[in-house]
Amino acid sequence: DTGVSQNPRHKITKRGQNVTFRCDPISEHNRLYWYRQTLGQGPEFLTYFQNEAQLEKSRLLSDRFSAERPKGSFSTLEIQRTEQGDSAMYLCASRDPGVAGAPGTGELFFGEGSRLTVL
Amino acid sequence: AQTVTQSQPEMSVQEAETVTLSCTYDTSENNYYLFWYKQPPSRQMILVIRQEAYKQQNATENRFSVNFQKAAKSFSLKISDSQLGDTAMYFCAFMKPFIIQGAQKLVFGQGTRLTINP
Repeated sequence: DTGVSQNPRHKITKRGQNVTFRCDPISEHNRLYWYRQTLGQGPEFLTYFQNEAQLEKSRLLSDRFSAERPKGSFSTLEIQRTEQGDSAMYLCASRDPGVAGAPGTGELFFGEGSRLTVL
Repeated sequence: AQTVTQSQPEMSVQEAETVTLSCTYDTSENNYYLFWYKQPPSRQMILVIRQEAYKQQNATENRFSVNFQKAAKSFSLKISDSQLGDTAMYFCAFMKPFIIQGAQKLVFGQGTRLTINP
């Protein structure tokens, strides 16, 4: 399968614990996004990487959240001291770099998501 | 900031019928992209159709077509000859044009849950 892969698919944790999610994008895609989706809502942007550089972070990304993409390949999203309000689906998506003058089709390819439940 | 509004939380139609999902958006940009994404139950989100704002012609992909009204900032999705496999959440999304090192992130609406009944 050459799509976007996310692990774990489901995580149940107690309030106050730390959790980490991993995303493996499509291999030739240099742009990677994290989104959060709560039940019955559309995804909300969290952060964006171009290669290994984190170029944009949403105000939704509190100090307890940190994301990395150390070699411009896979990415991790860590949530420290989890709260019940962190319960959501965390979606990863990637995009191809496009070519000069035609920077990609705009299509994001999404993974199946990592569902977090904080008790 | 851009906003996307989907005013129909849920819709339900019979198989083979035609259904239209509504979407409005707000932006001061002149050039941008609009998308409809489909999220089946417990499956990943996939692109259904894309429209570039500078193109006057409405996009079509097989049974899926859009009605893009730029002045009205409206972007509806029409599904013809609906099938059971079309049952999913449908999200309308907006994207600003490309800028160097810009996130070019998608801004999503709240979604419409579409059920196709046999």
